[in-house]
Amino acid sequence: QQQVKQSPQSLIVQKGGISIINCAYENTAFDYFPWYQQFPGKGPALLIAIRPDVSEKKEGRFTISFNKSAKQFSLHIMDSQPGDSATYFCAARREGNEKLTFGTGTRLTIIP
Amino acid sequence: DTAVSQTPKYLVTQMGNDKSIKCEQNLGHDTMYWYKQDSKKFLKIMFSYNNKELIINETVPNRFSPKSPDKAHLNLHINSLELGDSAVYFCASSPWTSGSTYEQYFGPGTRLTVT
Repeated sequence: QQQVKQSPQSLIVQKGGISIINCAYENTAFDYFPWYQQFPGKGPALLIAIRPDVSEKKEGRFTISFNKSAKQFSLHIMDSQPGDSATYFCAARREGNEKLTFGTGTRLTIIP
Repeated sequence: DTAVSQTPKYLVTQMGNDKSIKCEQNLGHDTMYWYKQDSKKFLKIMFSYNNKELIINETVPNRFSPKSPDKAHLNLHINSLELGDSAVYFCASSPWTSGSTYEQYFGPGTRLTVT
């Protein structure tokens, strides 16, 4: 059972554009929603994270939008740059449980 | 300074062999993990240890056995390797906390190829 559904599977955006990746979850007990960024040949690294008590969190060009009632959250990358080309994973964690459940990943390519 | 390190980075072996992957973290974290990333990039947790105690054990074949000699190390031993074990295996660590930050730090991965 896929508890965190991520879309799209791949995304091509022009330099300077906005990249948007969406995730939906099923388990209302999830209380922590991070996004990880993975470059080829490297391990995933935390990019930004949000808890369900806020609807938006912004760090530089990266913003998480969170819709608790719809059980959806999304990553927005503003002014996308070629260096942002990577695979992005959303994830979720249930309160009191150290396990992260990952989405299926989105391969983002920023073209000049 | 490398935070989470894994050895080896690449491992090519034949079906039926036994192999080990080592992981070490110098972050002082109490919790360590093993993940498997398949060819489609899907990341799935396999095991988690907190202070040398197994706390997460997903549905993984018995051929996989984690061992934590101390809280800075978590090794993965795989018996009787099969073709389907080919994947990238990531070690990760995190502090044992439910505070406002909860970051798992991943190692660089070990690409296992079973022929």
